[in-house]
Amino acid sequence: NAGVTQTPKFRILKIGQSMTLQCAQDMNHNYMYWYRQDPGMGLKLIYYSVGAGITDKGEVPNGYNVSRSTTEYFPLRLELAAPSQTSVYFCASSLSGHYGYTFGSGTRLTVV
Amino acid sequence: KNQVEQSPQSLIILEGKNCTLQCNYTVSPFSNLRWYKQDTGRGPVSLTIMTFSENTKSNGRYTATLDADTKQSSLHITASQLSDSASYICVVSDNTGGFKTIFGAGTRLFVKA
Repeated sequence: NAGVTQTPKFRILKIGQSMTLQCAQDMNHNYMYWYRQDPGMGLKLIYYSVGAGITDKGEVPNGYNVSRSTTEYFPLRLELAAPSQTSVYFCASSLSGHYGYTFGSGTRLTVV
Repeated sequence: KNQVEQSPQSLIILEGKNCTLQCNYTVSPFSNLRWYKQDTGRGPVSLTIMTFSENTKSNGRYTATLDADTKQSSLHITASQLSDSASYICVVSDNTGGFKTIFGAGTRLFVKA
């Protein structure tokens, strides 16, 4: 089992560019999440999904979009990148909302 | 406002020594509390999960305690190893539905030889 796989690991974007962060899990988890981690801060929830076709906003959704067409994939889209989106992004999945999460290894994004 | 506060922010100990990390929370109503270990450049890895009725949970040399009355948890590491150098994150969820899961900022532990 690969667990949760995120790509790319690193990316530098120019202001105004767009990109998609990829996330895939092979554990058949219904729940998937996107978090961002800023230096010295706790992880903040961007978006989450409780199953294919169902997504909802988390604490900091502005500037991001998600889709969940299948159980396995949960991509995060950044439109019009801004310096404030410089962060480390983690995708996670879980069996349900109250189980421990399995995290990917993260995508370090820098917007310049 | 729901909050999770961890102390200390950072800690340096010698290999083989024990240490205890603290987590205080105001999340209510409480559902569960989790401790994660995050190595540099990696995603967090689950260590323990405790619900309201559990007051201690062990995972090898890691032992977590929970006092739901005082809303405090601790993570005790026994006989520390160099590989224990990491950030330890306390995470608390409420049970109102949705995903009100609050992450603490973490304690950065350095274990020196």
